[in-house]
Amino acid sequence: KNEVEQSPQNLTAQEGEFITINCSYSVGISALHWLQQHPGGGIVSLFMLSSGKKKHGRLIATINIQEKHSSLHITASHPRDSAVYICAVPRGTDKLIFGTGTRLQVFP
Amino acid sequence: NAGVTQTPKFRILKIGQSMTLQCTQDMNHNYMYWYRQDPGMGLKLIYYSVGAGITDKGEVPNGYNVSRSTTEDFPLRLELAAPSQTSVYFCASSYAGTYYGYTFGSGTRLTVV
Repeated sequence: KNEVEQSPQNLTAQEGEFITINCSYSVGISALHWLQQHPGGGIVSLFMLSSGKKKHGRLIATINIQEKHSSLHITASHPRDSAVYICAVPRGTDKLIFGTGTRLQVFP
Repeated sequence: NAGVTQTPKFRILKIGQSMTLQCTQDMNHNYMYWYRQDPGMGLKLIYYSVGAGITDKGEVPNGYNVSRSTTEDFPLRLELAAPSQTSVYFCASSYAGTYYGYTFGSGTRLTVV
Protein backbone atom coordinates (compact mmCIF):
# COMPACT_ATOMS: atom_id res chain seq x y z
CA LYS A 1 0.00 0.00 0.00
CA ASN A 2 1.33 3.43 -0.93
CA GLU A 3 1.91 5.87 1.89
CA VAL A 4 -0.13 8.47 -0.01
CA GLU A 5 -3.29 7.43 -1.81
CA GLN A 6 -5.39 9.69 -3.98
CA SER A 7 -8.91 9.18 -5.26
CA PRO A 8 -10.26 9.16 -7.80
CA GLN A 9 -7.41 8.52 -10.24
CA ASN A 10 -9.37 10.10 -13.07
CA LEU A 11 -12.24 12.54 -12.95
CA THR A 12 -14.31 14.17 -15.65
CA ALA A 13 -16.75 17.00 -15.03
CA GLN A 14 -18.93 19.48 -16.83
CA GLU A 15 -18.08 23.13 -16.53
CA GLY A 16 -19.62 24.60 -13.39
CA GLU A 17 -19.61 21.40 -11.35
CA PHE A 18 -18.22 21.16 -7.82
CA ILE A 19 -15.14 18.94 -7.74
CA THR A 20 -13.69 16.98 -4.82
CA ILE A 21 -10.34 15.18 -4.88
CA ASN A 22 -9.30 13.10 -1.88
CA CYS A 23 -5.95 12.27 -0.36
CA SER A 24 -5.34 9.73 2.40
CA TYR A 25 -2.00 8.99 3.98
CA SER A 26 -0.66 6.40 6.37
CA VAL A 27 2.23 8.27 7.99
CA GLY A 28 1.93 10.68 10.86
CA ILE A 29 2.32 14.22 9.59
CA SER A 30 1.53 17.75 10.58
CA ALA A 31 1.26 19.28 7.11
CA LEU A 32 0.29 18.40 3.56
CA HIS A 33 0.90 19.90 0.11
CA TRP A 34 -1.42 20.15 -2.87
CA LEU A 35 0.17 20.67 -6.27
CA GLN A 36 -1.20 21.20 -9.77
CA GLN A 37 0.51 19.82 -12.86
CA HIS A 38 -0.59 21.51 -16.05
CA PRO A 39 -1.15 19.60 -19.32
CA GLY A 40 2.14 21.11 -20.52
CA GLY A 41 3.91 19.46 -17.58
CA GLY A 42 4.71 22.39 -15.28
CA ILE A 43 4.05 21.92 -11.55
CA VAL A 44 2.65 24.66 -9.34
CA SER A 45 2.28 24.59 -5.59
CA LEU A 46 -1.35 25.32 -4.62
CA PHE A 47 -1.46 24.92 -0.86
CA MET A 48 0.56 23.83 2.12
CA LEU A 49 -1.72 23.32 5.09
CA SER A 50 -1.39 21.90 8.57
CA SER A 51 -4.91 22.25 9.92
CA GLY A 52 -8.46 23.25 9.04
CA LYS A 53 -9.04 24.88 5.71
CA LYS A 54 -7.35 27.16 3.19
CA LYS A 55 -9.00 28.97 0.30
CA HIS A 56 -7.56 30.57 -2.80
CA GLY A 57 -10.02 31.76 -5.38
CA ARG A 58 -12.21 28.80 -6.36
CA LEU A 59 -9.90 26.28 -4.70
CA ILE A 60 -10.44 25.09 -1.14
CA ALA A 61 -8.23 22.60 0.70
CA THR A 62 -9.15 20.93 3.96
CA ILE A 63 -7.22 18.60 6.20
CA ASN A 64 -8.09 16.34 9.13
CA ILE A 65 -4.83 15.34 10.79
CA GLN A 66 -6.48 12.82 13.13
CA GLU A 67 -8.22 11.00 10.26
CA LYS A 68 -5.12 11.35 7.99
CA HIS A 69 -7.23 12.76 5.19
CA SER A 70 -7.26 15.86 3.03
CA SER A 71 -9.60 17.07 0.30
CA LEU A 72 -9.17 19.57 -2.50
CA HIS A 73 -12.37 21.18 -3.71
CA ILE A 74 -12.89 23.23 -6.84
CA THR A 75 -16.04 25.33 -6.99
CA ALA A 76 -17.62 26.36 -10.33
CA SER A 77 -15.12 24.27 -12.28
CA HIS A 78 -13.80 25.56 -15.60
CA PRO A 79 -11.98 23.86 -18.49
CA ARG A 80 -8.80 25.69 -17.49
CA ASP A 81 -8.89 23.67 -14.23
CA SER A 82 -8.08 20.56 -16.28
CA ALA A 83 -4.81 19.27 -14.85
CA VAL A 84 -3.32 16.59 -12.63
CA TYR A 85 -3.69 17.36 -8.92
CA ILE A 86 -1.07 15.87 -6.63
CA CYS A 87 -0.95 15.66 -2.86
CA ALA A 88 2.30 15.20 -0.98
CA VAL A 89 3.21 14.65 2.66
CA PRO A 90 6.48 15.30 4.46
CA ARG A 91 8.76 12.53 5.56
CA GLY A 92 10.73 14.54 8.05
CA THR A 93 11.88 18.02 7.16
CA ASP A 94 13.82 17.06 4.05
CA LYS A 95 11.60 14.93 1.82
CA LEU A 96 8.09 14.84 0.41
CA ILE A 97 6.21 11.66 -0.47
CA PHE A 98 3.97 12.21 -3.48
CA GLY A 99 0.71 10.62 -4.50
CA THR A 100 0.32 9.50 -8.11
CA GLY A 101 -2.15 12.26 -8.85
CA THR A 102 -5.76 12.74 -9.91
CA ARG A 103 -6.29 13.62 -13.56
CA LEU A 104 -9.16 16.09 -13.89
CA GLN A 105 -10.81 16.98 -17.20
CA VAL A 106 -13.47 19.67 -17.24
CA PHE A 107 -15.55 19.91 -20.40
CA PRO A 108 -17.44 23.02 -21.57
CA ASN B 1 10.84 36.83 -10.67
CA ALA B 2 12.47 33.95 -12.53
CA GLY B 3 11.87 31.41 -9.72
CA VAL B 4 13.46 28.07 -10.65
CA THR B 5 15.06 27.92 -14.09
CA GLN B 6 15.76 24.51 -15.54
CA THR B 7 17.57 23.75 -18.79
CA PRO B 8 17.33 22.12 -21.26
CA LYS B 9 13.62 21.48 -21.78
CA PHE B 10 14.16 18.49 -24.04
CA ARG B 11 17.11 16.24 -24.75
CA ILE B 12 17.77 12.98 -26.55
CA LEU B 13 20.84 11.04 -25.44
CA LYS B 14 22.42 7.92 -26.80
CA ILE B 15 23.18 5.07 -24.41
CA GLY B 16 26.47 5.71 -22.66
CA GLN B 17 26.51 9.48 -23.21
CA SER B 18 26.64 11.92 -20.32
CA MET B 19 24.95 15.23 -19.71
CA THR B 20 24.24 17.83 -17.05
CA LEU B 21 20.79 19.21 -16.29
CA GLN B 22 21.07 22.76 -15.03
CA CYS B 23 18.94 24.23 -12.24
CA THR B 24 19.14 27.78 -10.87
CA GLN B 25 16.90 29.57 -8.37
CA ASP B 26 16.88 33.25 -7.47
CA MET B 27 14.76 33.12 -4.30
CA ASN B 28 17.63 32.48 -1.87
CA HIS B 29 16.07 29.13 -0.97
CA ASN B 30 18.22 26.83 1.14
CA TYR B 31 16.68 23.54 0.00
CA MET B 32 16.90 22.25 -3.56
CA TYR B 33 15.71 18.97 -5.02
CA TRP B 34 15.88 16.84 -8.14
CA TYR B 35 12.94 14.57 -8.96
CA ARG B 36 12.12 12.25 -11.78
CA GLN B 37 8.58 11.53 -12.94
CA ASP B 38 7.82 8.34 -14.82
CA PRO B 39 4.45 7.78 -16.51
CA GLY B 40 1.73 6.91 -13.99
CA MET B 41 4.11 7.22 -11.06
CA GLY B 42 4.54 9.82 -8.38
CA LEU B 43 7.56 12.07 -8.29
CA LYS B 44 10.64 10.26 -7.00
CA LEU B 45 13.45 12.09 -5.23
CA ILE B 46 16.87 11.63 -6.79
CA TYR B 47 19.08 13.97 -4.72
CA TYR B 48 18.54 16.94 -2.49
CA SER B 49 20.54 19.68 -0.84
CA VAL B 50 19.85 21.62 2.36
CA GLY B 51 22.44 24.29 1.61
CA ALA B 52 25.59 25.10 -0.33
CA GLY B 53 28.15 22.34 0.02
CA ILE B 54 25.64 19.81 1.40
CA THR B 55 23.96 17.12 -0.70
CA ASP B 56 22.28 13.83 0.09
CA LYS B 57 20.76 10.88 -1.73
CA GLY B 58 17.05 10.48 -2.24
CA GLU B 59 15.07 7.37 -3.21
CA VAL B 60 16.59 6.77 -6.67
CA PRO B 61 20.17 8.17 -6.79
CA ASN B 62 21.88 5.46 -8.85
CA GLY B 63 23.29 6.75 -12.13
CA TYR B 64 23.22 10.41 -11.05
CA ASN B 65 25.48 12.88 -9.29
CA VAL B 66 24.95 16.38 -7.97
CA SER B 67 26.92 19.28 -6.56
CA ARG B 68 25.89 22.46 -4.74
CA SER B 69 28.72 24.96 -4.81
CA THR B 70 26.41 28.00 -4.50
CA THR B 71 22.97 28.65 -3.00
CA GLU B 72 21.58 29.36 -6.47
CA ASP B 73 22.78 26.38 -8.53
CA PHE B 74 22.10 22.66 -8.23
CA PRO B 75 23.14 20.77 -11.38
CA LEU B 76 22.30 17.10 -11.94
CA ARG B 77 24.85 14.99 -13.77
CA LEU B 78 23.93 11.83 -15.67
CA GLU B 79 26.90 9.58 -16.33
CA LEU B 80 26.68 6.71 -18.81
CA ALA B 81 23.03 7.25 -19.75
CA ALA B 82 20.78 4.18 -19.81
CA PRO B 83 17.26 3.70 -21.25
CA SER B 84 15.96 3.40 -17.65
CA GLN B 85 16.82 7.08 -17.20
CA THR B 86 14.25 8.10 -19.81
CA SER B 87 11.95 10.29 -17.75
CA VAL B 88 10.85 13.83 -17.01
CA TYR B 89 13.12 15.57 -14.52
CA PHE B 90 12.06 18.39 -12.23
CA CYS B 91 14.18 20.64 -10.10
CA ALA B 92 12.50 22.30 -7.11
CA SER B 93 13.41 24.58 -4.25
CA SER B 94 12.03 25.44 -0.84
CA TYR B 95 13.01 28.06 1.72
CA ALA B 96 13.50 25.54 4.53
CA GLY B 97 12.15 22.11 3.63
CA THR B 98 8.89 20.24 3.67
CA TYR B 99 6.93 22.64 5.91
CA TYR B 100 7.35 25.46 3.40
CA GLY B 101 6.01 25.87 -0.11
CA TYR B 102 7.90 24.39 -3.03
CA THR B 103 8.72 26.08 -6.34
CA PHE B 104 9.27 23.82 -9.33
CA GLY B 105 11.18 24.27 -12.56
CA SER B 106 9.43 23.64 -15.86
CA GLY B 107 10.94 20.19 -16.31
CA THR B 108 13.32 18.42 -18.68
CA ARG B 109 12.03 15.63 -20.89
CA LEU B 110 14.95 13.23 -21.41
CA THR B 111 14.93 10.29 -23.80
CA VAL B 112 17.79 7.79 -23.85
CA VAL B 113 17.98 5.72 -27.04
